[in-house]
Amino acid sequence: GESVGLHLPTLSVQEGDNSIINCAYSNSASDYFIWYKQESGKGPQFIIDIRSNMDKRQGQRVTVLLNKTVKHLSLQIAATQPGDSAVYFCAETGFQKLVFGTGTRLLVSP
Amino acid sequence: DADVTQTPRNRITKTGKRIMLECSQTKGHDRMYWYRQDPGLGLRLIYYSFDVKDINKGEISDGYSVSRQAQAKFSLSLESAIPNQTALYFCATSDLSRNHQETQYFGPGTRLLVL
Repeated sequence: GESVGLHLPTLSVQEGDNSIINCAYSNSASDYFIWYKQESGKGPQFIIDIRSNMDKRQGQRVTVLLNKTVKHLSLQIAATQPGDSAVYFCAETGFQKLVFGTGTRLLVSP
Repeated sequence: DADVTQTPRNRITKTGKRIMLECSQTKGHDRMYWYRQDPGLGLRLIYYSFDVKDINKGEISDGYSVSRQAQAKFSLSLESAIPNQTALYFCATSDLSRNHQETQYFGPGTRLLVL
């Protein structure tokens, strides 16, 4: 089984609900942010990104919100499905390297 | 992502052994990275390379070495494995966009157990 994230914060939702996953970032100079999804047994996959000159960006069923004042990033998933169950990481970059958060596990029950 | 492959996918070794993890990419990216992932600690950067002649230490490079044999290949070595190197290891690649923003693409991971 998946050993990653045994002690991660966990968000449990019902299928069809909207999910909100939060992330606090540390570097006020970071200018680019990414959300990754990691399913059991797989590497992280890019979901959506946002630049620091934006405060909202929408994709298919996902929306990322950026609040630079409080250094907070959120990922909203609409109509959550069982296939959305995974660990979600935010990442920030200011100069050349990405810095990853520790992740949040999303559990979707039917 | 099939564009980034890692071998082996699973490995069990003994303390003191030398092992090598390999990464190949067909994305044509210049930048390659090695991370380890441990429960509750997220992804931590071991080494990274911005081109064939470039090698840089990440935040946890002690006990590891790397070789960038070609643009497409980046290998990670544990010269003398120890049990606390038991972890999930990921290779990633990236290329800067015109806006100088970077998205990394990850391989499927190598699960390493050091006894």
